[in-house]
Amino acid sequence: GNSVTQMEGPVTLSEEAFLTINCTYTATGYPSLFWYVQYPGEGLQLLLKATKADDKGSNKGFEATYRKETTSFHLEKGSVQVSDSAVYFCALTTGTASKLTFGTGTRLQVTL
Amino acid sequence: ETGVTQTPRHLVMGMTNKKSLKCEQHLGHNAMYWYKQSAKKPLELMFVYSLEERVENNSVPSRFSPECPNSSHLFLHLHTLQPEDSALYLCASSQDGTGGRGEQFFGPGTRLTVL
Repeated sequence: GNSVTQMEGPVTLSEEAFLTINCTYTATGYPSLFWYVQYPGEGLQLLLKATKADDKGSNKGFEATYRKETTSFHLEKGSVQVSDSAVYFCALTTGTASKLTFGTGTRLQVTL
Repeated sequence: ETGVTQTPRHLVMGMTNKKSLKCEQHLGHNAMYWYKQSAKKPLELMFVYSLEERVENNSVPSRFSPECPNSSHLFLHLHTLQPEDSALYLCASSQDGTGGRGEQFFGPGTRLTVL
């Protein structure tokens, strides 16, 4: 079956620091990969996605590259802000959206 | 209204009460979902409806009863809940099949507290 493994949090960074949140996966077939973000008191929002190997998804300064050889989709941002404090979820599907598999989420706390 | 809306945003109920959570999607999608999000636990998929038919029920206790009267509306009826049912309940929708791009769109959630 499909599964997603994320690094455990919380991740605490100072503002303007470099961010990496690791995500690896196992999947049957060729998955589409997603990062969702959940700000405090809100639901999940799609942050970025990649649908095939070597694709790079990007949004709001965040990037993630679909690495088939290492089965990874690590989330990166060059300079985090306090407003980036949230929980980040890696997810994949090998079929339709109804088969979306989520990781456990990684909490990011950015301080001044 | 745009996207996925949920009401109420907050709900406090006793164990003997009956209440319902409502979700509405304004995206023209054909699939809807209920998730439970508890502190320090993974996101739990509870129910999936595709084309108004329930296609997945992940061993959810019968005190949770979903209803999908049409493709835009989804309800979660609650009765005789337990304190451990306190959580954030998230609704999501997606376009499955042809035209779908694999992502789900989430509502803001209902924060449920069972006393």
